[in-house]
Amino acid sequence: KNQVEQSPQSLIILEGKNCTLQCNYTVSPFSNLRWYKQDTGRGPVSLTIMTFSENTKSNGRYTATLDADTKQSSLHITASQLSDSASYICVPGPSNQAGTALIFGKGTTLSVSS
Amino acid sequence: ETGVTQTPRHLVMGMTNKKSLKCEQHLGHNAMYWYKQSAKKPLELMFVYSLEERVENNSVPSRFSPECPNSSHLFLHLHTLQPEDSALYLCASSPGLAGGRDIQYFGAGTRLSVL
Repeated sequence: KNQVEQSPQSLIILEGKNCTLQCNYTVSPFSNLRWYKQDTGRGPVSLTIMTFSENTKSNGRYTATLDADTKQSSLHITASQLSDSASYICVPGPSNQAGTALIFGKGTTLSVSS
Repeated sequence: ETGVTQTPRHLVMGMTNKKSLKCEQHLGHNAMYWYKQSAKKPLELMFVYSLEERVENNSVPSRFSPECPNSSHLFLHLHTLQPEDSALYLCASSPGLAGGRDIQYFGAGTRLSVL
């Protein structure tokens, strides 16, 4: 069964600190993995997308890593800002061209305080 | 803004009402999606359209009826809803069917409350 587990469920950090969010998935066959940021009351916004052959992808202060062998991904946020407070969603995609079977995780809720 | 506009942003309706949610994308994409997001649950795919043809219907109750008159517009018609249908309804679009590297662009959503 295709599943996505994200940890921690929620996290509170001080502004300026770094943090790492984890994603474990059981999706087979596996094609790509996406990370989205969702602000409260808004739709998700894509941060990174990696295919199974990529190990890391950066977008500004966000760096995603992928280990397709162990089926793990992480999202590292550097020098956090108050605007980073949001839910971060891991989305592994199976190997089908329809893209209709993207598996969304429940997300990690990050709160950055001053 | 993401280029995907949803209206209304908030909707309160009774169980006997009929209402419609609207989504419009200005990105020239070929695929459009409806998702439901309930509290503490992951996004659930409801419907997928590619070039105005429905390609996916994830066992959604018939009280939800989608319509895609052209590749830029998507509607979700609602009738005789239940309180458990209260959720954030998100529309998304992508260049193709979000396989490979196609990124989905989401609207801000419609917050629906069914009384």
